[in-house]
Amino acid sequence: GQQLNQSPQSMFIQEGEDVSMNCTSSSIFNTWLWYKQDPGEGPVLLIALYKAGELTSNGRLTAQFGITRKDSFLNISASIPSDVGIYFCAGLGNFHDMRFGAGTRLTVKP
Amino acid sequence: DSGVTQTPKHLITATGQRVTLRCSPRSGDLSVYWYQQSLDQGLQFLIQYYNGEERAKGNILERFSAQQFPDLHSELNLSSLELGDSALYFCASSVDERNTIYFGEGSWLTVV
Repeated sequence: GQQLNQSPQSMFIQEGEDVSMNCTSSSIFNTWLWYKQDPGEGPVLLIALYKAGELTSNGRLTAQFGITRKDSFLNISASIPSDVGIYFCAGLGNFHDMRFGAGTRLTVKP
Repeated sequence: DSGVTQTPKHLITATGQRVTLRCSPRSGDLSVYWYQQSLDQGLQFLIQYYNGEERAKGNILERFSAQQFPDLHSELNLSSLELGDSALYFCASSVDERNTIYFGEGSWLTVV
C-alpha cells in the first residue's frame, strides 16, 4: 500500500545526543507502531500507540500518537552506539489498512 | 524472539527456479502477512491471510503465490525466479487485523 511520509531519511548524530523522527499521513489511523530493524534481521516492535494523544515511553524511547490521528513521532534520548539501525513507523487503520514509512537510518558516532 | 518462525533463513538458487518460504505465526495469531525488503529499501507488503483466507493483496507479482493452511502456518511460493527477486522476505503475524503485528527474522533469498 501507499507509504507513510517518514522523516528524516537518515541521521548522523554524536553519541549522547537526542534524536527525533516523525511520520505523517493524509489518512487517519487507529494504531501507530514504531519498529527498529538491524541489518539482516526482522523489524522489532519498539512502541505501540493505540489512542490519539497517547504518549508512551520505553526506556530512552518516547513516542506519541498525534491528536489528529494522522501523525506520530519517536524520540530517542541520550543515544548510544547500539541505537544504530533503521527505524520504521507503521500506521494501522481499519481492516488491514496498514502502511509503513520508508524508514529513518540512524548512525551514531561514538 | 517475536515468536514468528521463518524457514529457511538463507537460500541461494538459480534464475528460473522455484522456491517455497515457510512461516509459523505466533501461537494464537490468526493473521499472517508477507513482506519483501530489497537491499536498502523499505518494507513492501505482498499479501495477507486471515484464518486461511486471503484478505489483502499488495505489490505481489503473478509469479508469486501464497497460502495459509488449516494449522495457520503459511507458505510463500516464488517461481520463475529472476535476479531482482533477491531480497529479504518477512513473515509477520497478529491476533487479528486490528492488532499489532510481529515480524519473523526473515528469509534471505539470493537468486544467482
